Amino acid sequence: EVQLVQSGAEVKKPGESLKISCKGSGYTFNKYWIGWVRQVPGKGLEWMGTIYPGDSDTRYSPSFQGHVTFSVDKSISTAYLQWSSLKASDTAVYYCARSAILGTISQLDYWGQGALVTVSS
Amino acid sequence: EIVLTQTPGTLSLSPGERATLFCRARQSVSSSYLAWYQQKPGQAPRLLIYGASNRATGIPDRFSGSGSGTDFTLTISTLEPEDFAVYYCQQYGSTPPWTFGQGTTVEVK
Repeated sequence: EVQLVQSGAEVKKPGESLKISCKGSGYTFNKYWIGWVRQVPGKGLEWMGTIYPGDSDTRYSPSFQGHVTFSVDKSISTAYLQWSSLKASDTAVYYCARSAILGTISQLDYWGQGALVTVSS
Repeated sequence: EIVLTQTPGTLSLSPGERATLFCRARQSVSSSYLAWYQQKPGQAPRLLIYGASNRATGIPDRFSGSGSGTDFTLTISTLEPEDFAVYYCQQYGSTPPWTFGQGTTVEVK
């Protein structure tokens, strides 16, 4: 069974750093792109970008480029989303999701449960 | 960036009725790389339709998608109680970013 399990909720202060995780199982993790999606409370879905675990090829949305970093650790089938300096406007639920087609950026067929990040002084 | 506009913003219907949701792109979506997702409160989105008209695994046949180019439609033929939710379209065409529409809420009338 394909699963993506994300790390838990976080509460941080503005300016702090953070790294959240997304662990894949039940499939060949290295061969499917992993996307990241933001959802501000009460708002819609925003595509942040995607990473290919096989070679760490990464595509960022211009809206998030330079503010977040994607990475992977293939040895433990885990993708990461990190910030070096959080802002209050980063408060949101962050989802990871798998692209459905092997080796190709495509529709997102399996989703993590989401991780709520709250940034408040 | 391809902007997707979903209409209506909210659809108020009763169980048993037909729902028709629209997604319009400012530029043509290549190869009909258009997906629809359903999201219920407190849950992650769920893939319903991909490639504009293909149902994802396990999706009931009351859900159907159509369209090409810039205009796409999601139809729910007969609303079941569990179908009241928010629906998003997403394009995943040739170049990033692979944007979402702003969503349509299907609510109980």
